Amino acid sequence: DSGVTQTPKHLITATGQRVTLRCSPRSGDLSVYWYQQSLDQGLQFLIQYYNGEERAKGNILERFSAQQFPDLHSELNLSSLELGDSALYFCASSVAGGQGFQGADTQYFGPGTRLTVL
Amino acid sequence: QQQVKQSPQSLIVQKGGISIINCAYENTAFDYFPWYQQFPGKGPALLIAIRPDVSEKKEGRFTISFNKSAKQFSLHIMDSQPGDSATYFCAARGGNQFYFGTGTSLTVIP
Repeated sequence: DSGVTQTPKHLITATGQRVTLRCSPRSGDLSVYWYQQSLDQGLQFLIQYYNGEERAKGNILERFSAQQFPDLHSELNLSSLELGDSALYFCASSVAGGQGFQGADTQYFGPGTRLTVL
Repeated sequence: QQQVKQSPQSLIVQKGGISIINCAYENTAFDYFPWYQQFPGKGPALLIAIRPDVSEKKEGRFTISFNKSAKQFSLHIMDSQPGDSATYFCAARGGNQFYFGTGTSLTVIP
């Protein structure tokens, strides 16, 4: 158990809908990362927050947004869902913001949320 | 464009054998190269990592070999065990972003 929690575990919705995925980082971790894992694209970095501020942005669609709250939990909002958005969404957390090597920058992944868009 | 290319896609190894997974990259600005292990239904977990100023790092049965000039790095699993059966991802860090390989599904048969 990594200490990172994600809810819900599974989510089934229809095209055009909007969903919110939630992540609680490990106690003491300030950084949260969101990843999308699909069969054809592998693991893709979406976005990183550090202590409430956006730190890095990857291949995140404009239909997707995220935020990190004062209690450090994070939410990933996916809107106007398409069939191709069906994937596993992982959240990871680390103590620091990614500037060093290992140690405080080690990312601990949650168990993921499986999103199915029908 | 895949920033980190990983091969093979799948690998079957006998118990006790050596499993080798390879990754290649182009961006010389990458400064940290972790390997992750993922079991079905779980998130990836950091297995071992290396910096580009080191050519080899060993932790137990797991070794990373790093060739900076060739821009390649590989994971070697010695004395592979059925419990090692999982998907392995290499990754590289550039700035604050991590770029992952497409994964290798390893099956170790008894």
